Amino acid sequence: DIQMTQSPSSLSASVGDRVTITCRASQSITNSLNWYQQRPGKAPKLLIYGASSLQSGVPSRFSGSGSGTDFTLTISSLQPEDFATYYCQQSYTMPEFTFGPGTKVDIK
Amino acid sequence: QLQLQESGPGLVKPSETLSLTCTVSDGSFSSSSYYWGWIRQPPGKGLEWIGSIYYSGRAYYNLSLKSRVTISVDTSKNQFSLKLSSVTAVDTAVYYCARIAARGNSEFFQQWGQGTLVSVSS
Repeated sequence: DIQMTQSPSSLSASVGDRVTITCRASQSITNSLNWYQQRPGKAPKLLIYGASSLQSGVPSRFSGSGSGTDFTLTISSLQPEDFATYYCQQSYTMPEFTFGPGTKVDIK
Repeated sequence: QLQLQESGPGLVKPSETLSLTCTVSDGSFSSSSYYWGWIRQPPGKGLEWIGSIYYSGRAYYNLSLKSRVTISVDTSKNQFSLKLSSVTAVDTAVYYCARIAARGNSEFFQQWGQGTLVSVSS
């Protein structure tokens, strides 16, 4: 089984801050890594697929990078609507999938 | 625009079978470009993939749930369904259905239903 970890588990930030979230896989998953945003009480929303490709309609302040075992989601300038929980998900073992435990971003 | 809608009982008794259906609103249900999945989220916790199914009916399950899960398709109704047997309180969660798409060597949950809370309690 491929295990996914995320760090930090939570962070506090201010509007306008640059935020970086890390996701690590227990073995190489090449670039089969996706990122989701989940606002409270809502379904998750796809942000990034294939480690670095921005899903249509997602603001360009979101970016993803990485390959192999280490990946990063960056929000270049945090906006009020970005306060949410972010999950990574590997699809290297598709059609079986694993999510990371999540990173909660809240207001400082 | 694609909509996915989960439906089913919001309360299930312990040891019984949880049954949910996801209705897909557009023609993408029969497209070979997509397939379909179930994900759940216990209250206050993270996301867990339950299983996935192709239009052909071929299904894949999370090993931790495999002995209790069945996912099926009803092509005549643009629906796919989840059955989880012998439920206990730990199966209490919001259950989501989703469309799975692929780009390159990555597959992802491209569109999600709104989710439905299923509580297991006597």
